[in-house]
Amino acid sequence: NAGVTQTPKFQVLKTGQSMTLQCAQDMNHEYMSWYRQDPGMGLRLIHYSVGAGITDQGEVPNGYNVSRSTTEDFPLRLLSAAPSQTSVYFCASSYSSGSGRTQYFGPGTRLTVL
Amino acid sequence: GESVGLHLPTLSVQEGDNSIINCAYSNSASDYFIWYKQESGKGPQFIIDIRSNMDKRQGQRVTVLLNKTVKHLSLQIAATQPGDSAVYFCAENTGAGGTSYGKLTFGQGTILTVHP
Repeated sequence: NAGVTQTPKFQVLKTGQSMTLQCAQDMNHEYMSWYRQDPGMGLRLIHYSVGAGITDQGEVPNGYNVSRSTTEDFPLRLLSAAPSQTSVYFCASSYSSGSGRTQYFGPGTRLTVL
Repeated sequence: GESVGLHLPTLSVQEGDNSIINCAYSNSASDYFIWYKQESGKGPQFIIDIRSNMDKRQGQRVTVLLNKTVKHLSLQIAATQPGDSAVYFCAENTGAGGTSYGKLTFGQGTILTVHP
């Protein structure tokens, strides 16, 4: 299994540009989520999904959109990038029942908005 | 609001020593806790977890202790090695089932440096 994969690894945007960060997992996990990590801080939840077709907002959702059309993929869209969105973005996945609450993280996407 | 915080932002130890990383949480309803290790340029890596119905759980060279009375969590690393140098995060979850399932609240992180 590849686990959780994210693309791209690095990205530089200009203010106002849009882009999509890709996330995929091959573990058949129902639950997927996006976090951002700013320097010297822990991870903050942006959006999450408990299954295909179901998404909800986390702690810091403004400026981001998500959709979940398949179990495997959970893309994060920045509609109009702002410098405040410069951060490292992590995608994570887990099972949604039983003892499977452990979330597994991808390698991250480092985004710089100029 | 709900939060998970760490007492010590940095910890330096000698190789072979035991390390203890602490974490305080504020949400008494949290029922699941996880410790993650994050190396530079990588995503968080699962170390060990514990449920609120337990006080202690052991893994390979790691032990997590949970004190619900004072809402305190600790990670003990035995015989610390240079490869253990990383940032360590605690995270809490409130919600076995339902839409809050999997919503983790992370602490700030502790930088562990192991000197040879």
